[in-house]
Amino acid sequence: QVQLVESGGGSLKPGGSLRLSCAASGFRFSDYYMSWIRQAPGKGLEWVSCISSRGSTIFLADSVKGRFNVSRDNSKKSLYLHMDSLRADDTAFYYCARGSRAYFDYWGQGSLVTVSS
Amino acid sequence: QSVLTQPPSASGTPGQRVTISCSGSSSNIGSNVVNWYQQFPGTAPKLLIYNNNERPSGVPDRFSGSKSGTSASLAISGLQSADEADYFCAAWNDSLNVLFGGGTKLTVL
Repeated sequence: QVQLVESGGGSLKPGGSLRLSCAASGFRFSDYYMSWIRQAPGKGLEWVSCISSRGSTIFLADSVKGRFNVSRDNSKKSLYLHMDSLRADDTAFYYCARGSRAYFDYWGQGSLVTVSS
Repeated sequence: QSVLTQPPSASGTPGQRVTISCSGSSSNIGSNVVNWYQQFPGTAPKLLIYNNNERPSGVPDRFSGSKSGTSASLAISGLQSADEADYFCAAWNDSLNVLFGGGTKLTVL
């Protein structure tokens, strides 16, 4: 069965950097676009980024452009979110999801990132 | 502030039919499909409706979606206590980003 497992979350101070990982299994990872979506505690969903199946095309939300980047390693069936210059308003659960263009058919359990001084 | 507008809350009694609206613009809902997600507290969202009105395998036919112009709706018939959750609409935006609605908290009275 399809499984997405995020890791790498944690607590850090503003201005710091973090890399989230998402390990995929149960499907041919290299065939699918993958995305990151975040949710501040008690708030709604916010799309963060999307990467094409081969990694050649990347979309990023305006709120993270210039600070975040997304990459993937198809040989490891892994998706990554590289986050720099973190701010307090980046505090959220970060979900890895299979799909793109608002169609996300499988989601991970989420990884909490807390940015606080 | 979300660009897709949903009512923050909705409610109904068991057995009733409830609808949740999602309003956008010509650059998102008006030109792209709408998907709906269901989220229970402490869990990840789950795809509920895709391509405006299609249900993934395993989603009961009590859930249905529709779209007209720049608005979409999710309808839940035969409301059950197990349907109490948050519901989010989502659509691709022509500015090359994904928009989510602010979410609607459904309460079963």
